Amino acid sequence: DAGVTQSPTHLIKTRGQQVTLRCSPKSGHDTVSWYQQALGQGPQFIFQYYEEEERQRGNFPDRFSGHQFPNYSSELNVNALLLGDSALYLCASSWGWETQYFGPGTRLLVL
Amino acid sequence: GENVEQHPSTLSVQEGDSAVIKCTYSDSASNYFPWYKQELGKRPQLIIDIRSNVGEKKDQRIAVTLNKTAKHFSLHITETQPEDSAVYFCAASAASGNTGKLIFGQGTTLQVKP
Repeated sequence: DAGVTQSPTHLIKTRGQQVTLRCSPKSGHDTVSWYQQALGQGPQFIFQYYEEEERQRGNFPDRFSGHQFPNYSSELNVNALLLGDSALYLCASSWGWETQYFGPGTRLLVL
Repeated sequence: GENVEQHPSTLSVQEGDSAVIKCTYSDSASNYFPWYKQELGKRPQLIIDIRSNVGEKKDQRIAVTLNKTAKHFSLHITETQPEDSAVYFCAASAASGNTGKLIFGQGTTLQVKP
């Protein structure tokens, strides 16, 4: 049984570009949450998807958007990248609001 | 707004000693409190969690206590081992319906010296 997977593992972009990160949830899970973890900090909640809808959103600008597909996988899109967007982006899956299990993350570097 | 304060930021103990990490949350609606362990370059891994209807939970060398009145919860690790060295994060969630965002503390770097 595969756990949560994310792709790509690493990504380098320049300011102003756009990026798409992908997440496949653990088998049997229907909810995907995205978090941003800056170096030396705790993860910060970006948003959560359930039944292909954004159910909750953290304090992130509209440049951050997402999508959930019928197979429960999810994408995180970030437009007009800023240097401050450099971070580890973590996806977590759960069954409803039950225990969240994290993927390995995508490390994004914006130059 | 919602906030979780975690202390200490760093903790160094001798192998075999106990370690205690404390967290305080601000949202009185919080009802779920997980603890995650994150090793360098790895994903956060759930080590124990507790819900608001329980005051204490134990799993081998790890225990978590919750004081809802004071809005704080703690992680206790007994008989620490070098492999317990990692960053530990507490989190709180006011889960309801089908949503439950986690608000994380800033993390505690635990070093267990052999």
